[in-house]
Amino acid sequence: KAGVTQTPRYLIKTRGQQVTLSCSPISGHRSVSWYQQTPGQGLQFLFEYFSETQRNKGNFPGRFSGRQFSNSRSEMNVSTLELGDSALYLCASSLVGLAGVNEQFFGPGTRLTVL
Amino acid sequence: DQQVKQNSPSLSVQEGRISILNCDYTNSMFDYFLWYKKYPAEGPTFLISISSIKDKNEDGRFTVFLNKSAKHLSLHIVPSQPGDSAVYFCAASEMASGSRLTFGEGTQLTVNP
Repeated sequence: KAGVTQTPRYLIKTRGQQVTLSCSPISGHRSVSWYQQTPGQGLQFLFEYFSETQRNKGNFPGRFSGRQFSNSRSEMNVSTLELGDSALYLCASSLVGLAGVNEQFFGPGTRLTVL
Repeated sequence: DQQVKQNSPSLSVQEGRISILNCDYTNSMFDYFLWYKKYPAEGPTFLISISSIKDKNEDGRFTVFLNKSAKHLSLHIVPSQPGDSAVYFCAASEMASGSRLTFGEGTQLTVNP
């Protein structure tokens, strides 16, 4: 069974631009969560999508948004990029997205660098 | 407000000995706890978990202990192997809130041959 895939793996953007990252979950998984990993803040939850609906949201500004398609693939978008948005963005998928019921599987991440 | 804390950024252990990684949490609503391992350039990999109704869970060389009164959990790896060298993240969740995980900062474990 193929794992969680994320594209692109690496991305360089400049301040003010916007970026879209993509995540394909494991086949059959309906929940997709996004996390941001930075050296100073560690791994922080961005949001979770389940059946095309945002079910949970972390404490990030509105510049961070996402969506999920009917095939469970998900995208996240960051608009008006800032230097502090440079991070590893990780996507995780699980069957139904209930901690304690289904474990989450993480993708390799997209390394975003904002210049 | 760091709700999950791993106070040791790094730990070095000899091969064959026990590795003990520690984690503290402040949110009493957390009822499910997990450990993930992360190698460079890869996403975190699930290792072991424990729900708040238990105080111990074992899986092969890995055992997680939970002390709810102290809001503390630990991961024991016995015996430690060089391949265990990685960053270990402690994570916590409220099962009622879906899949949202709150992570600690991570501990870099180095197992020396």
